[in-house]
Amino acid sequence: GDSVTQMEGPVTLSEEAFLTINCTYTATGYPSLFWYVQYPGEGLQLLLKATKADDKGSNKGFEATYRKETTSFHLEKGSVQVSDSAVYFCALSDRSNTDKLIFGTGTRLQVFP
Amino acid sequence: NAGVTQTPKFQVLKTGQSMTLQCAQDMNHEYMSWYRQDPGMGLRLIHYSVGAGITDQGEVPNGYNVSRSTTEDFPLRLLSAAPSQTSVYFCASTHFGGNYGYTFGSGTRLTVV
Repeated sequence: GDSVTQMEGPVTLSEEAFLTINCTYTATGYPSLFWYVQYPGEGLQLLLKATKADDKGSNKGFEATYRKETTSFHLEKGSVQVSDSAVYFCALSDRSNTDKLIFGTGTRLQVFP
Repeated sequence: NAGVTQTPKFQVLKTGQSMTLQCAQDMNHEYMSWYRQDPGMGLRLIHYSVGAGITDQGEVPNGYNVSRSTTEDFPLRLLSAAPSQTSVYFCASTHFGGNYGYTFGSGTRLTVV
């Protein structure tokens, strides 16, 4: 079945460093791809999405490009802040039911001043 | 404030007890779902609903029951709690088909002793 694989964390960075969190997927078709963020003690929030190949989703300085040839959707940010410390989840839509999301295991990001 | 409201935020149960986790949304979303979040396993789908009167099983439905009598409410029932059901539970909702992204509640942390 469809699945999402994320790099294991935690990812530890200094403030203003460049961030990459890797995400690859397996799917029988052309799913939509998402990144969600979870701050401590809160629910998940949609960060960005891309619905077709070569689309780039972006929000709050974060970006991710839907790469069909490498089945990837890596999350990047040019300069992280302490406030970006959170858990990041990659997800894909189940094409048999486009409203059902399949999540990766999450990657914890810790940013230090 | 519009959104998804979950109650309670915390709950401790004894093995064998039953309880209902409440979820309500005021955005007129057709699609609602319940996930559980466990360390190292990401989010796993328990049950979902595409509208009032319609529910279906997700990846890990055993030990849980749901119903959807109104668009707004989607309660999750634990029939006979087990320690393996210790987890954080999230309710989420979205409009149908269009990859709008989910709105999540803030979660219920359940401990079964």
